[in-house]
Amino acid sequence: NAGVTQTPKFQVLKTGQSMTLQCAQDMNHEYMSWYRQDPGMGLRLIHYSVGAGITDQGEVPNGYNVSRSTTEDFPLRLLSAAPSQTSVYFCASSYRGQTYGYTFGSGTRLTVV
Amino acid sequence: GIQVEQSPPDLILQEGANSTLRCNFSDSVNNLQWFHQNPWGQLINLFYIPSGTKQNGRLSATTVATERYSLLYISSSQTTDSGVYFCAAPTNFGNEKLTFGTGTRLTIIP
Repeated sequence: NAGVTQTPKFQVLKTGQSMTLQCAQDMNHEYMSWYRQDPGMGLRLIHYSVGAGITDQGEVPNGYNVSRSTTEDFPLRLLSAAPSQTSVYFCASSYRGQTYGYTFGSGTRLTVV
Repeated sequence: GIQVEQSPPDLILQEGANSTLRCNFSDSVNNLQWFHQNPWGQLINLFYIPSGTKQNGRLSATTVATERYSLLYISSSQTTDSGVYFCAAPTNFGNEKLTFGTGTRLTIIP
């Protein structure tokens, strides 16, 4: 099925642990992005990419790294998890040129204890 | 970057009622999107509507770009319409990065 696939759906980490949230899309979208959703704050942009090999920071990038080696994949890395990174993470993709709406993955609920 | 504000923050309606959700944005846009987040957390794109009016079944959206607002209309509400509705606009004009409003939580009571 075409769309954006995120794994895992749920994760519990201990403070200081590292992990990678996976995101893959099969729609040949150039643009991919990661958001976090916290209660009462809507969605805030962490990092984004406009194509393979190109990434940039969003509104809340600290504590996260990304890379884009292929058009399809855009993993988000937490280098040393902190309780403040407890959140729901969404990956989204779209074509460039804004002629189509965003497609979101189903989200990853991360708890850092 | 752009500021996006939504109102009301919460809305509770009886099944069958109509509702209007508002999105104000602080700058010119060439991209305005509405999303529905269902009670299971899934975000669904409802409309891509930088200007004008679009309709999809019981839902319709209107964006008046010159006055910097967009409206989402839901007619004959059903319990499946419950969830949070977000609007989003480019952080900077012509950019794919979106800034989201804080959402309107809609609860439809049977």
